[in-house]
Amino acid sequence: ETGVTQSPTHLIKTRGQQVTLRCSSQSGHNTVSWYQQALGQGPQFIFQYYREEENGRGNFPPRFSGLQFPNYSSELNVNALELDDSALYLCASSLRGTHGYTFGSGTRLTVV
Amino acid sequence: EDKVVQSPLSLVVHEGDTVTLNCSYEVTNFRSLLWYKQEKKAPTFLFMLTSSGIEKKSGRLSSILDKKELFSILNITATQTGDSAIYLCAVAPASGGSNYKLTFGKGTLLTVNP
Repeated sequence: ETGVTQSPTHLIKTRGQQVTLRCSSQSGHNTVSWYQQALGQGPQFIFQYYREEENGRGNFPPRFSGLQFPNYSSELNVNALELDDSALYLCASSLRGTHGYTFGSGTRLTVV
Repeated sequence: EDKVVQSPLSLVVHEGDTVTLNCSYEVTNFRSLLWYKQEKKAPTFLFMLTSSGIEKKSGRLSSILDKKELFSILNITATQTGDSAIYLCAVAPASGGSNYKLTFGKGTLLTVNP
């Protein structure tokens, strides 16, 4: 059974650029959630995907968008990057209807 | 808006000490409270609590939930340097029976010195 894998592990981007982060969910899981964790803060919910559709969204602007693919993997896209977008981005997969969230190791994004 | 407050924000102890981490919450339509340990990047699951007054235990770690007073504690006895980490508390609301967002606290940074 494989866990949640995220890529890349680290990324440096310039303000105004766009970025795509990737997540492969744990085997058997059909729901993917994305979280942003700024330094010294707890993770904050960005959105969740189920059946390739957005299934709930936190307080993030539309320039944060996502996709889920038929194999349940997911992408997080952020347009027009701002300095405050610098954070650890965590992906968590789960099986709908259960409590079992499994987190990936995250992507550390630095915007300069 | 759902809210989770953890205390203390940081704690330094010596090996062998016992620590108690606190988590209070406000959530609409509570479903469960979860504790995670975050050492480097990936939060790893410790406990999930749904019923009040029932202690969950795993080795030296234990946790209990008080749904009336809206808080939970995580206890670690006989601490070891490997317990050094950020401990995150999160609440999950019931939302149409689906998995939904976790609301996290800021975490408690625990440092265990030899």
